[in-house]
Amino acid sequence: QVQLVESGGGVVQPGRSLRLSCAASGFTFSSYAMHWVRQAPGKGLEWVAVISYDGVGKHYADFVKGRFTISRDNPKNTLYLEMNGLRVEDTAVYYCAREGLPPNMDYWGQGTLVTVSS
Amino acid sequence: IVLTQTPLSSPVTLGQPASISCRSSQGLVHSDGNTYLSWLQQRPGQPPRLLLYKISNPFSGVPDRFSGSGAGTDFTLKISRVEAEDVGVYYCMQATHFPWTFGQGTKVEI
Repeated sequence: QVQLVESGGGVVQPGRSLRLSCAASGFTFSSYAMHWVRQAPGKGLEWVAVISYDGVGKHYADFVKGRFTISRDNPKNTLYLEMNGLRVEDTAVYYCAREGLPPNMDYWGQGTLVTVSS
Repeated sequence: IVLTQTPLSSPVTLGQPASISCRSSQGLVHSDGNTYLSWLQQRPGQPPRLLLYKISNPFSGVPDRFSGSGAGTDFTLKISRVEAEDVGVYYCMQATHFPWTFGQGTKVEI
């Protein structure tokens, strides 16, 4: 069965960096685009970034452009989100999600909590 | 694209129907003719789960009491008979226009 497992969250000071990982299994990872979506405490869902199946195409939400980098390692079945210059407002649970066909987010991980605080 | 859901909170009675509306600030018909409007459910303490895609198509394992309808800019999720496990927050999401966006969520509670 499809499984997505995020890791790498934690407490970090403003301005510091963190790298999130999403380990995929149960499907051909290299055939699917992947997304990061976040959810601030008690708030709704907010799309962060997407990467194409081959890692060539990448797009970001305006609020993370220049600070976050999405990448993937297909042989390792792993998706990444490198987060630099973290801000208090980046505090959220970060989910990875598979992009299904037709376009939707058909499978989600359990999420990893990132807390940015001094 | 801004998706506006109503109501934001929906007290429901077990066994009774429930309905959630999602209105888009722009039409959601893609250039390929399809409308990529999905509904997701998030139970308390759980990640989101896909319920319906392309307005009305149920995802694998979704009970048939969930149905979707609509076109253009106005869409509706209906639960025919609410069960206790349906408690949670429901989101509409559009994948027609980039960037993909979500509605603000509707909390369904007994």
